[in-house]
Amino acid sequence: QVQLVESGGGVVQPGTSLKVSCAVSGILFSSYVIHWVRQAPGKGLEWVALTSPDGNKHYIDSVKDRFIVSRDESETTVYLQMNSLRVDDTAVYHCAREFRGSGRAGTFDVLGQGTKVTVSS
Amino acid sequence: DIQMTQSPSSLSASVGDRVTITCRASQDVNTYLAWYQQKPGKAPKSLIYAASILQSGVPSRFSGSGSGTDFTLTISGLQPDDSATYYCQHYSVYPVTFGGGTKIEIK
Repeated sequence: QVQLVESGGGVVQPGTSLKVSCAVSGILFSSYVIHWVRQAPGKGLEWVALTSPDGNKHYIDSVKDRFIVSRDESETTVYLQMNSLRVDDTAVYHCAREFRGSGRAGTFDVLGQGTKVTVSS
Repeated sequence: DIQMTQSPSSLSASVGDRVTITCRASQDVNTYLAWYQQKPGKAPKSLIYAASILQSGVPSRFSGSGSGTDFTLTISGLQPDDSATYYCQHYSVYPVTFGGGTKIEIK
């Protein structure tokens, strides 16, 4: 059974850093693109970043130069290092497996429950 | 970035009703359009991809249609378990973006 389990969220002050994790099980990790999608309180969904098995990484403009996505193949875990955090980064961060059956990248078939990140002074 | 606009933002309907949600893209996304269902405190669940193809295990009362810029999600025979917020998402180019959501309440 495919499972994506996020952890590492918390309450931090603006300008500080936090690293959240996504532990993946039940799939051949090295074959899948994994994404981060976030949801601000009471708001909709926003794609944040992706990491692919071939080393490709991509970010939404608002987090470029602040967030770094990485993956550890031996631990089957994806990380999101968030630096210079801002109040508007407050959200639940979900990791998501890219769906490979659609014929095109960028959609998801399994998402985790998320980890809550609150940026507040 | 491509903007996705959903309407209505919320609706209330009775069990058994046919419900339609619309999603409009600010530019042509072909059929690179997905729909998700999200219940409070839960992860979004994938319902439909390629505008009209149901994910495995999704009940047949759900259907999707459209191409280009205009899309619809229809629930034929609304069930109590369908109370949730529904999001459309294009995956034509990066960044992929989502609609603002449609909250369905059961009367």
